[in-house]
Amino acid sequence: DAGITQSPRHKVTETGTPVTLRCHQTENHRYMYWYRQDPGHGLRLIHYSYGVKDTDKGEVSDGYSVSRSKTEDFLLTLESATSSQTSVYFCAISELADTDTQYFGPGTRLTVL
Amino acid sequence: AQSVTQLDSQVPVFEEAPVELRCNYSSSVSVYLFWYVQYPNQGLQLLLKYLSGSTLVKGINGFEAEFNKSQTSFHLRKPSVHISDTAEYFCAVSALAGALTFGSGTRLQVQP
Repeated sequence: DAGITQSPRHKVTETGTPVTLRCHQTENHRYMYWYRQDPGHGLRLIHYSYGVKDTDKGEVSDGYSVSRSKTEDFLLTLESATSSQTSVYFCAISELADTDTQYFGPGTRLTVL
Repeated sequence: AQSVTQLDSQVPVFEEAPVELRCNYSSSVSVYLFWYVQYPNQGLQLLLKYLSGSTLVKGINGFEAEFNKSQTSFHLRKPSVHISDTAEYFCAVSALAGALTFGSGTRLQVQP
């Protein structure tokens, strides 16, 4: 199994609170991705990174920011959580773009009350 | 822009029966196509992928998929399913920087 961990695994927070989710990898892969999974929508890309300090927006980036100061860590921040951000968040990694397999973490279930 | 359509949200099937999960895609560029499986309360893992070459792709756990460029389809098949195949299956196409565009998923329910 690819070495990907996500923390926390579960979180309940209140509207307006800042939240940071962490993705940590031990594979030294270049690319890292944050997706959210919602019923009926599959997984949708929030942000991705193609190297340290190199990040870009995905399909549903509004309300989220990311940072990658080290190869192994990719942080997702909700500056002011809203109920619409209640979801399951998955981190993924890959060594190459396009053709490479993405390896997924176990997910973080976030509930915003 | 790429998009993926999985027409069946749920597919019930009896154990040892064959199954086909349908996937259609649209893309303006060459495509790389993937099928991932998600078991309950777990992350996703790769079943198989099509990059180029033979249009019939074999994956893990006895699954295979056929790439059909003229019909823009990439249907997943298994000749005989097991209870342990009960899971959600996602078709995906590679987009910018390797990020994946996923379909909405098909829940396969294998009944004894």
